Amino acid sequence: DTEVTQTPKHLVMGMTNKKSLKCEQHMGHRAMYWYKQKAKKPPELMFVYSYEKLSINESVPSRFSPECPNSSLLNLHLHALQPEDSALYLCASSQDRGTGLLYEQYFGPGTRLTVT
Amino acid sequence: TQLLEQSPQFLSIQEGENLTVYCNSSSVFSSLQWYRQEPGEGPVLLVTVVTGGEVKKLKRLTFQFGDARKDSSLHITAAQPGDTGLYLCAGASQSDQTGANNLFFGTGTRLTVIP
Repeated sequence: DTEVTQTPKHLVMGMTNKKSLKCEQHMGHRAMYWYKQKAKKPPELMFVYSYEKLSINESVPSRFSPECPNSSLLNLHLHALQPEDSALYLCASSQDRGTGLLYEQYFGPGTRLTVT
Repeated sequence: TQLLEQSPQFLSIQEGENLTVYCNSSSVFSSLQWYRQEPGEGPVLLVTVVTGGEVKKLKRLTFQFGDARKDSSLHITAAQPGDTGLYLCAGASQSDQTGANNLFFGTGTRLTVIP
């Protein structure tokens, strides 16, 4: 099973709202990722969690706040977003970030976020 | 940041035609993945190539990793409308400082197969 699930599928929020995106995997993976993808562009890395600790923050504005409650779950808390934050938000996981040659990330279906 | 350039950027072909997508970089990668992404969905992993010169086949799709592990190609034989999508290559590279892998995405190739 290589499934990563994300909820909600679609989200429309105003600039003053607070919402959260959720991601779950049951593959026993110890690394999880948040990406942002704008139309017709490749995914852009936002955050990386490794063994439930934040290991990479790609200079993401503080209105995006990640959380990793346990090894299977990853949340992205959203507050005071701007219209330009509208995008497809993708979660991914990998076995770890380790030294093996075979390094693969598995993606969820994404959350389509629209900020009005 | 390692850059991966894909070509062509856009490709529109008739059903039954063959095509090749290229993924090129000046950097060496420990492995390279190919993903297909449909509109509004997440990328789906198609294949991972690890060894220089490696060739992998997945039905009508043939993937090759360059001998120097800097480039890769995806060849589709007798394209079908179901092959339509955004094809992304992604190279894995280990940080010199931490040993942790990072994944660098290519610029993408949008394929449309016309019935």
